[in-house]
Amino acid sequence: SQKIEQNSEALNIQEGKTATLTCNYTNYSPAYLQWYRQDPGRGPVFLLLIRENEKEKRKERLKVTFDTTLKQSLFHITASQPADSATYLCALDEGTSYGKLTFGQGTILTVHP
Amino acid sequence: DAGVIQSPRHEVTEMGQEVTLRCKPISGHNSLFWYRQTMMRGLELLIYFNNNVPIDDSGMPEDRFSAKMPNASFSTLKIQPSEPRDSAVYFCASVGRNTGELFFGEGSRLTVL
Repeated sequence: SQKIEQNSEALNIQEGKTATLTCNYTNYSPAYLQWYRQDPGRGPVFLLLIRENEKEKRKERLKVTFDTTLKQSLFHITASQPADSATYLCALDEGTSYGKLTFGQGTILTVHP
Repeated sequence: DAGVIQSPRHEVTEMGQEVTLRCKPISGHNSLFWYRQTMMRGLELLIYFNNNVPIDDSGMPEDRFSAKMPNASFSTLKIQPSEPRDSAVYFCASVGRNTGELFFGEGSRLTVL
């Protein structure tokens, strides 16, 4: 069966360190993989999209890698800040229709001052 | 742009009552999605529309759920009759033509007593 797993339900790190979140999937052939941020009581907010033929994407302090052989994406936040504390969701798009995403359960990141 | 607008933000109702959730997508976006989020199951796609036409409603849990999109700027999700297990946060999202990122509303938190 198809499955998306975000390996850590919760991740606690110290301010200034790099946070690394993992997203693994089975029985999918995603055309895209996306990462979203969700704050309590709010809707998810898009962060980054990476295509199947891209290995890495960067945006400011964020970096995403995508390994279709390992069926894994890593999401990094460098020089983390308490304001980065939130739930981070990975989502797969199999390319059948833009926006038809399957989401992982999310990782709750807490950055301690 | 005001973003995706959902109403009501909170709804508390009693089992058996009809519930109607409303969504106004971002102007110019041609696809609209209804997702449901619970602690147990995470974010699940219920139904999506392209150019106001329902494309895939396989995620709609039961016949008690129905969705409409009478025009490009308005959609409703109706639950009739509601049950306690329908308690969740319901998100509406829209995506522009030829892009992959979803823009979510702030959600409608439904509690069925």
